[in-house]
Amino acid sequence: DADVTQTPRNRITKTGKRIMLECSQTKGHDRMYWYRQDPGLGLRLIYYSFDVKDINKGEISDGYSVSRQAQAKFSLSLESAIPNQTALYFCATSDSGLAGNEQFFGPGTRLTVL
Amino acid sequence: AQSVSQHNHHVILSEAASLELGCNYSYGGTVNLFWYVQYPGQHLQLLLKYFSGDPLVKGIKGFEAEFIKSKFSFNLRKPSVQWSDTAEYFCAVGGSGGSYIPTFGRGTSLIVHP
Repeated sequence: DADVTQTPRNRITKTGKRIMLECSQTKGHDRMYWYRQDPGLGLRLIYYSFDVKDINKGEISDGYSVSRQAQAKFSLSLESAIPNQTALYFCATSDSGLAGNEQFFGPGTRLTVL
Repeated sequence: AQSVSQHNHHVILSEAASLELGCNYSYGGTVNLFWYVQYPGQHLQLLLKYFSGDPLVKGIKGFEAEFIKSKFSFNLRKPSVQWSDTAEYFCAVGGSGGSYIPTFGRGTSLIVHP
């Protein structure tokens, strides 16, 4: 679904580097989320935002920060990347006005930290 | 705090076999329940959802799930699987309130042999 896009799609970096993952959406949704996916652990929530002025920590926020630059943009930063942050990262959106609050996911960013 | 348990981590079936994936949740209020599917190399997409009404929910590609409130369960079923159903399946639960954040299970990897 091109409605939620993530850049880059793949990234290899070294320990200690600062990395930014970007997410943009054209769905007009107010809520945005960042998850990481690891084999056998499912999806774990890193940060979420209910609107531009709202940022909340998720289950595993240590080592990460986010910025909601606009309703359509939500960036995830790794201030100093470490190998155990190697994972698949997904951005998601949802609309608080929709019953059931289904989430829509981006294509993912595969990050490798050496 | 809400939680989700998916009992089957890996399932291997032959084509035309019936499928049932278990999902149990823990949540104190009114729930929204979801099944998402992730085909190999792709992002998560919604299979089906329950937020009110008929507890038997039908989704895409012949999948259905039944919400049994007394058992805190939302099992996914399909009468006859196809090779193209090979994917990872995630159950998720969220509250129906305005500030709900969904929680995902660890996922079930389904492999269907032709």
